[in-house]
Amino acid sequence: ETGVTQTPRHLVMGMTNKKSLKCEQHLGHNAMYWYKQSAKKPLELMFVYNFKEQTENNSVPSRFSPECPNSSHLFLHLHTLQPEDSALYLCASSFNKMADTDTQYFGPGTRLTVL
Amino acid sequence: AQSVTQPDIHITVSEGASLELRCNYSYGATPYLFWYVQSPGQGLQLLLKYFSGDTLVQGIKGFEAEFKRSQSSFNLRKPSVHWSDAAEYFCAVGAQGDYKLSFGAGTTVTVRA
Repeated sequence: ETGVTQTPRHLVMGMTNKKSLKCEQHLGHNAMYWYKQSAKKPLELMFVYNFKEQTENNSVPSRFSPECPNSSHLFLHLHTLQPEDSALYLCASSFNKMADTDTQYFGPGTRLTVL
Repeated sequence: AQSVTQPDIHITVSEGASLELRCNYSYGATPYLFWYVQSPGQGLQLLLKYFSGDTLVQGIKGFEAEFKRSQSSFNLRKPSVHWSDAAEYFCAVGAQGDYKLSFGAGTTVTVRA
């Protein structure tokens, strides 16, 4: 699967560290998404970008800072995280159909552990 | 807002047996419905989707799902499971005029030999 890639696949960080997650899509899509997946909970939408513009911030704490330099790349900058932020972070992309539901394609995720 | 319920947290099925995973949604108009599968350590892979038309949808890996408006359901089925079908399955619903998806909590499928 090379449509949506994420790096790193695993990350362990302390609460005072600063790290970044990277997502890249090779599908020619214009919308990109960050989700948080915690054990036995539904996926939580965090951020949405459409044509590099942020269109959704789902009440995410400021210790998570997204960046979308172009339609193919999406970053999630992390700083002063808490242990409860440990989860699988999934990136997804879709064509620009922001007025309607479109199929989202997911990356493999980054497994984040905060110590 | 739309929502999804997957009543079964965990299902165990024998290899070669049939499988049915339940999904119930809540949405006032015609929903857009999806089934995704997540293998251990992997992201979500789209199995099939329903936007309109024929209510019986065929997907990849031999899966199918049927949209039943009267029951607000979109159940996933496979006639004969393989050991490689062991994974977590997620149902999701979207709405016309809203790009966001709502996901269920998932059903874990274990396949025994």
